[in-house]
Amino acid sequence: GNSVTQMEGPVTLSEEAFLTINCTYTATGYPSLFWYVQYPGEGLQLLLKATKADDKGSNKGFEATYRKETTSFHLEKGSVQVSDSAVYFCALSDPYGGSQGNLIFGKGTKLSVKP
Amino acid sequence: NAGVTQTPKFRILKIGQSMTLQCTQDMNHNYMYWYRQDPGMGLKLIYYSVGAGITDKGEVPNGYNVSRSTTEDFPLRLELAAPSQTSVYFCASSLTGGGADTQYFGPGTRLTVL
Repeated sequence: GNSVTQMEGPVTLSEEAFLTINCTYTATGYPSLFWYVQYPGEGLQLLLKATKADDKGSNKGFEATYRKETTSFHLEKGSVQVSDSAVYFCALSDPYGGSQGNLIFGKGTKLSVKP
Repeated sequence: NAGVTQTPKFRILKIGQSMTLQCTQDMNHNYMYWYRQDPGMGLKLIYYSVGAGITDKGEVPNGYNVSRSTTEDFPLRLELAAPSQTSVYFCASSLTGGGADTQYFGPGTRLTVL
């Protein structure tokens, strides 16, 4: 079945450090891939997405590239800020699933950025 | 636009009690979803709806019921609450339900069943 695996947290970085959060997936067909972010006490919000192989999604300095050959969608940011502290979820949308538009989520990675 | 709103924010239930979690969206989205988020886990789909009057089960529907009488509202009903239903519940909506469509999430309801 479809699944998403992302690196275990928590991840603690100093401000201005480089961030990578790994995400790999298993899916039939050609899913769309997403990164959602959950700030403390809030719901999830879309950070970026990519809908086909080799697409790069980017937003707020974050980026991720849809790599079909390695079934990966790793999240990167060159210089993190304290305000980036949040839980990050990798997700895929199964185009052949019975639940239309259903998102399949990884377990989430908690990022803490220290000043 | 308020987006997706959920009430209540927090609730404690006793085993066997029932309650309804409310969800409203003002974006005129056709698709709406209910997820639960257990500690250290990703979100899992409970039920979804593709439009008023049409609902279907997701991955973990047991113990829940839904209805969708209007485009805006998608309440989730818990009957006979059990400790296993302790979780954070998120409602979401999307315009088309297509694979690339963005889902917009509410702030969540934290439910504890004792």
